[in-house]
Formats: sequence, structure tokens, C-alpha cells
Amino acid sequence: KQEVTQIPAALSVPEGENLVLNCSFTDSAIYNLQWFRQDPGKGLTSLLLIQSSQREQTSGRLNASLDKSSGRSTLYIAASQPGDSATYLCAAYYGQNFVFGPGTRLSVLP
Amino acid sequence: NAGVMQNPRHLVRRRGQEARLRCSPMKGHSHVYWYRQLPEEGLKFMVYLQKENIIDESGMPKERFSAEFPKEGPSILRIQQVVRGDSAAYFCASSPQKNNQPQHFGDGTRLSIL
Repeated sequence: KQEVTQIPAALSVPEGENLVLNCSFTDSAIYNLQWFRQDPGKGLTSLLLIQSSQREQTSGRLNASLDKSSGRSTLYIAASQPGDSATYLCAAYYGQNFVFGPGTRLSVLP
Repeated sequence: NAGVMQNPRHLVRRRGQEARLRCSPMKGHSHVYWYRQLPEEGLKFMVYLQKENIIDESGMPKERFSAEFPKEGPSILRIQQVVRGDSAAYFCASSPQKNNQPQHFGDGTRLSIL
């Protein structure tokens, strides 16, 4: 069964800290892995997409890594800001639909 | 360029009524996906449609739920005889092709059952 888990479920940090969000997937036959941001009452915003052949992707203060063999991905956020407060979702894409993790709820305190 | 448009944003129904959720994909996109997000849970795939065809409905409940994507007009997710457990956020995504193409998500419809 294809499952995606994320830890921690919630995280609260002071502004300026670097932090790591973790994602694990049980089926390594992914096409790609995507990290999304979801603000309360809003839809999903795609942050980073890593193809199965890639090891990492970077966008600004965000860096995502992918290790297919171990079934893991991490999202690294540098110099966190209050505006980064949101729920971060990891999703494994298997060629037809996403399998989502439950998310990590991040609060960055000013 | 408009993104994926979903309406209504919020929908309130009483138990036993019907709910209709609409999704207009991005321009040029012919693939639509519906996901459901129950409170405090991640998104779960429901159904994948192309124009006039259901490709994969493995995530759809067997009863009361149906989806269509007609040749003209938006995709419709229909829930008949709603129950309290149907309360959730329903998200639609679209893509121009399948496989390895990013899916663009709408803002969702929040369905509340009284």
C-alpha cells in the first residue's frame, strides 16, 4: 500500500531559525515528489518538485532532497520568517495521482 | 491566465440533500483530479477524469458519489444524500497531460453538512 508520512506533525520555532521537515514514502516507484504549502482555508501552492532521477531542488530559502532508495525526502527552510507559517504537505506522484502526507503545521514566531 | 477555479468556495447542506461542486481547469488542461481533505487529515485522491471519460475512480466511495467532466463546461463532483461525514474540503487539480506533469490546484470547496 502506498503511504506517505510526515514528521513532525507540528513545529513552532522562533524567527530566523533553520529547520527541516521530514517526509517518508513506502513505495519507492515514484515519478516525482512534490512539496506544497497550504495556508488556512486556502488551496495548495507548489513549492518544489523533484523528479525521481534528481537528488535535490532549490528555490530561494527552500531546499528539498530526495532519497528514493530509503523512501525519504526532506524540506529545508533557511532563516525562517513569520510569513513561512503554514502547513507543508509532501506528496508522492505515482504517474496518475498524488499520495499526500498528513502535513507538518509550522509556526514561526516573531 | 486564470488558475483552476472551483465554486462555490463554501457550501452548506443539510443531511439528505445533494451537493454539487464545480471545477474549471486551467486553460488548455484536459485532465482533472478530485481530492478530499477530511479535518486534520491529508488529501486523499478520489477520481481522475479526462474530457468525457473517467480514467480512475479508485478513490471514490462506492455509493452516493459521482463525477463527470463533459465536453463543454466544468467538471462536477456530485454527492447525493449527504451525511455528516461528507464534511470536508474538496480540491480539484488539473494538468495538460498525465504522468510527470505538475498538477495545479484550485482553492477548494469547503462542504459543511448540518
